[in-house]
Amino acid sequence: QVQLQESGPGLVKPSQTLSLTCTVSGGSISSGSYYWSWIRQPAGKGLEWIGRIYTSGSTNYNPSLKSRVTISVDTSKNQFSLKLSSVTAADTAVYYCARTGGYNSGWFDPWGQGTLVTVSS
Amino acid sequence: AIQLTQSPSSLSASVGDRVTITCRASQGISSALAWYQQKPGKAPKLLIYDASSLESGVPSRFSGSGSGTDFTLTISSLQPEDFATYYCQQFNSYPVTFGQGTRLEIK
Repeated sequence: QVQLQESGPGLVKPSQTLSLTCTVSGGSISSGSYYWSWIRQPAGKGLEWIGRIYTSGSTNYNPSLKSRVTISVDTSKNQFSLKLSSVTAADTAVYYCARTGGYNSGWFDPWGQGTLVTVSS
Repeated sequence: AIQLTQSPSSLSASVGDRVTITCRASQGISSALAWYQQKPGKAPKLLIYDASSLESGVPSRFSGSGSGTDFTLTISSLQPEDFATYYCQQFNSYPVTFGQGTRLEIK
C-alpha cells in the first residue's frame, strides 16, 4: 500500500524559498500511470492545488502560482519535491502531497499527512 | 478555472439523519468529480470518484450522483464518525479545483 510523507522546514522567512519533499513508500514512484501532486490548505480554509509532476518530468502548475512554483522528481530516491519562491504570509498553510491519475482519473489518493509551513520573520 | 460552489456551507444534523450536500460547477464537467471527507488535523480522505463510484473501503451509506454541473453527496444514515468537513473536487480540466467545503456538525 503506497504511503506518502512530506518533509521540510516548518518555518520560512518572507521573500525566501519554501522547499518540501514527499517520500513515497510501499511502491515505486515510477510504477503505473500516476502523477504526483502538491496541494495546500491555509488554516481554516479550503484546498488549493499547486501542481503535479509525472515521472518523465512533465509538469502542470496552477496558473495562480505558476511563476513561483517548481516541482521536480527524483525516481532514484522515490521522492518528488516542491519549491515555492518569494513567499509571503499568504503562503502559510498545511502542504500535502498526493497521488493522482492522468486524464479522467484526476482524483487524489492517497495523501500524505500534511506538513505545516509558516512564513514569518 | 472552473469554480465549484458547495451548499450548504455548514449543516447541523443528528445521528441517523439522511444528509445531502450539493456541489455546482461553473461549467459542465461531465462526471469528473470526486468527494472527500476531512477531519480536524487530518488529510482529506477520498470517498467518491467519477461522481458516483464508491472508493474501496468506504461505507455504503455514502453515495454520489450527478453529471454536468450539478452533483450531490448523500449520507443515508449519519454515524458519529461522519461529522467532518466535506469537499468536492473537479478534474475535468486543469487547474483542478475544490469546493469551499461543507462542515457537518452534530445537532
